[in-house]
Amino acid sequence: QQQVKQSPQSLIVQKGGISIINCAYENTAFDYFPWYQQFPGKGPALLIAIRPDVSEKKEGRFTISFNKSAKQFSLHIMDSQPGDSATYFCAASLSPYGQNFVFGPGTRLSVLP
Amino acid sequence: DAGVTQSPTHLIKTRGQQVTLRCSPKSGHDTVSWYQQALGQGPQFIFQYYEEEERQRGNFPDRFSGHQFPNYSSELNVNALLLGDSALYLCASSTDRGFGTEAFFGQGTRLTVV
Repeated sequence: QQQVKQSPQSLIVQKGGISIINCAYENTAFDYFPWYQQFPGKGPALLIAIRPDVSEKKEGRFTISFNKSAKQFSLHIMDSQPGDSATYFCAASLSPYGQNFVFGPGTRLSVLP
Repeated sequence: DAGVTQSPTHLIKTRGQQVTLRCSPKSGHDTVSWYQQALGQGPQFIFQYYEEEERQRGNFPDRFSGHQFPNYSSELNVNALLLGDSALYLCASSTDRGFGTEAFFGQGTRLTVV
């Protein structure tokens, strides 16, 4: 019940295209859903996060869509750029304060120039 | 703001040895969480320290222990190292002082056990 599933495992997108990564969770007590971006050799960096009381959150080219009834959420990267090439992790937690984040297995995104 | 800093950046140890990893939280943060990230996988929660006490623990054996100091910095200790302990160890700092102060990760310590 603590697992977070993530798909696809890898994604190749042309520059300017839309990248879409999907996640699903089981534990309805989760209250915070962040997305992290990680470059090789670096720690994860918070990209955008959402609480379950809203269905969508947009920050620049990044949008989270959240479907509470389906227990699914997704990350959309608009106008994808080669600099967006990284591994993306969705996560879920009972709190935004670093307590027991459950991470998905990650999606390796490659944006072709 | 220096953000979350971890030391050392890389470490090679022999099976059976003990290791200590260190973390300094982001300025203003009082809570430190530790994660283990195996190659090609998402991070897994080890434990969290707040007010110098272990507040929550993930599914890791007692070989993994920690400490938090009065200045909020933290150490992760791993005893009797196994080959399977080879991973990137991440520290995340945060504070309970309201939404908007989410967890921030350091760059990690790459531990290789040979």
